[in-house]
This record gives sequence, C-alpha cells and structure tokens, in this order.
Amino acid sequence: QKEVEQDPGPLSVPEGAIVSLNCTYSNSAFQYFMWYRQYSRKGPELLMYTYSSGNKEDGRFTAQVDKSSKYISLFIRDSQPSDSATYLCAMTSYGQNFVFGPGTRLSVLP
Amino acid sequence: SAVISQKPSRDICQRGTSLTIQCQVDSQVTMMFWYRQQPGQSLTLIATANQGSEATYESGFVIDKFPISRPNLTFSTLTVSNMSPEDSSIYLCSVEDRLAGGSYEQYFGPGTRLTVT
Repeated sequence: QKEVEQDPGPLSVPEGAIVSLNCTYSNSAFQYFMWYRQYSRKGPELLMYTYSSGNKEDGRFTAQVDKSSKYISLFIRDSQPSDSATYLCAMTSYGQNFVFGPGTRLSVLP
Repeated sequence: SAVISQKPSRDICQRGTSLTIQCQVDSQVTMMFWYRQQPGQSLTLIATANQGSEATYESGFVIDKFPISRPNLTFSTLTVSNMSPEDSSIYLCSVEDRLAGGSYEQYFGPGTRLTVT
C-alpha cells in the first residue's frame, strides 16, 4: 500500500460544479495536511492548510480532515475554468518528510 | 510566505554534461528541499539541504549524481551530473516555514524544466 493515495483520477467537470478531491493515507503520525495547486509548467502553490481533524474554509475551497479514517478532502464550490490544474495533497508529522499524493488533474470546462 | 526563485527556468542539455540549478529565497530559512517531478508524476524528494551541514539524500539518490551546496540561509544549488535522458524532469526547490503556533508550511519555487538529449 502506498503511503498516500489520491482520487479521483483525471477529472473533467462543467463550470459551476462542486468538485471533491480526496486522499487516504496510512501513517497515523501525520498531523499537518495541505493541498497544493499546480498549474501547468509552474511550481506547486500552497492552497489550503489544516492541522489535525476538522474543517477549514477559504472562499470557494473547503478542506476536511478525518484522522480517524485517515482521509482528507478538498471541496471546490462553483468551480471555474481558472481552477483547472493538478491538485496535490501533502502531509507531514512534525515538519520534514513531507509526503505528497500523486495528484489529481482537474479540468473545468466553460 | 517565502518567495523562491530558480535559475535557469528551463534548459536543454546533452547527455554526459552537468547542469547546476540555483535556488534563491527572499528570507532566511533553515531547511531547503530539492524535489524531482517527472512528467505526469507527483513530487519525489531528492534531498534535504541544511546550512552548514551535508545534504541528506533520499533512497535512490546519491551525492555523486546530485551534489548540493547550501552556503547560506537564503541560497542553494543542485547539480545534475553526467546527465542521461532519464534525468529529464522538472526540478523544484522548496523551503519549510514554521509558523507561530507550531504549524509547518512548505513553499515551492517555479521549477527548472530539464530536457536531456
């Protein structure tokens, strides 16, 4: 089993749709959870950051962490074509050894 | 958040040559990381570079192939030595920022896109 798995695979949605991106992990020591957005030919940019279990909302984006299930999610409401990018989940226990998911490529169609 | 720049942004190199990638941060940071991202893949950590000490390499990466320098708290270089086409990838520099309250965030540079012919 990989340390972090991410689903869905490549995803195409119509503009305005709600998008759900998910990661599962195996290491219960992870405490800090992040979502990165990476546009084509760019470096990843930090989008959302969550510590331990709970929800965090920032505009159209909501990050959820369920440590008991070792499951994290990113929801995008009212998706826009500008949201088209690859989304990477990442996690760490106490800094160092950040582990990244394989990424989900999202296309939002106008 | 830290602002990170990398040079070059891209390069096309011949097999057997070496390329040094520079990473500059706009603030002093303790930990810098070098990642590789192959086409369509996620990020693979090459090594962690702390100022004043030898870089720590991940499994599958060795110093002779990827020598790293960290002369101060704002700068690092990664050299890709004796390149082969399999080294074609995006190389990313990143830094860790520990915030008030003890949280950790990691920021990335724009990447260096390397093509080896």
